[in-house]
Amino acid sequence: NAGVTQTPKFRVLKTGQSMTLLCAQDMNHEYMYWYRQDPGMGLRLIHYSVGEGTTAKGEVPDGYNVSRLKKQNFLLGLESAAPSQTSVYFCASRLTGEKLFFGSGTQLSVL
Amino acid sequence: GENVEQHPSTLSVQEGDSAVIKCTYSDSASNYFPWYKQELGKRPQLIIDIRSNVGEKKDQRIAVTLNKTAKHFSLHITETQPEDSAVYFCAASKGGGFKTIFGAGTRLFVKA
Repeated sequence: NAGVTQTPKFRVLKTGQSMTLLCAQDMNHEYMYWYRQDPGMGLRLIHYSVGEGTTAKGEVPDGYNVSRLKKQNFLLGLESAAPSQTSVYFCASRLTGEKLFFGSGTQLSVL
Repeated sequence: GENVEQHPSTLSVQEGDSAVIKCTYSDSASNYFPWYKQELGKRPQLIIDIRSNVGEKKDQRIAVTLNKTAKHFSLHITETQPEDSAVYFCAASKGGGFKTIFGAGTRLFVKA
């Protein structure tokens, strides 16, 4: 039981490049989330999903897209990366209870 | 929308002293208030939570209090130890809702 797994762990992009972050969970959780963490700003919700095939916007969705084609996977895409998207990205999931289970994070730098 | 404010942003205490972190929330419909601890380079992990039908909850050296009228809740750590050094996040969510909104975090330093 691996819990919540994020790939990659580190990535450096040039401005304008695209990439996809993958989140996978093996706990059969319905709800999945993408947060970004920036110094002094805590964890801000980008997008979330309440089940397979569903997605919704969070607090800071601009510049990101997501997909939940399979229940266990939640993908976060950056179509045209900008330096303002330099951050640590965390995926999280939960069942119907409120406790969030986090992945280990992805450190993304956009030059 | 829902907003959670957290204070202080940084807290330094001597080993053995107590530490208190305070949060306020804006949405009166919020009814679940978790606290997460994030050690350096690690993922956030739940350490304690409280629901709106309870005023206080304790787990060994940590406790959380909730004042629904004032819409604020606090984390209390007693007899602090160096391993308590970390970033602590408060959060709030609504029953039946899907989003958990976090405060900006408090970096706690416990000096040996």
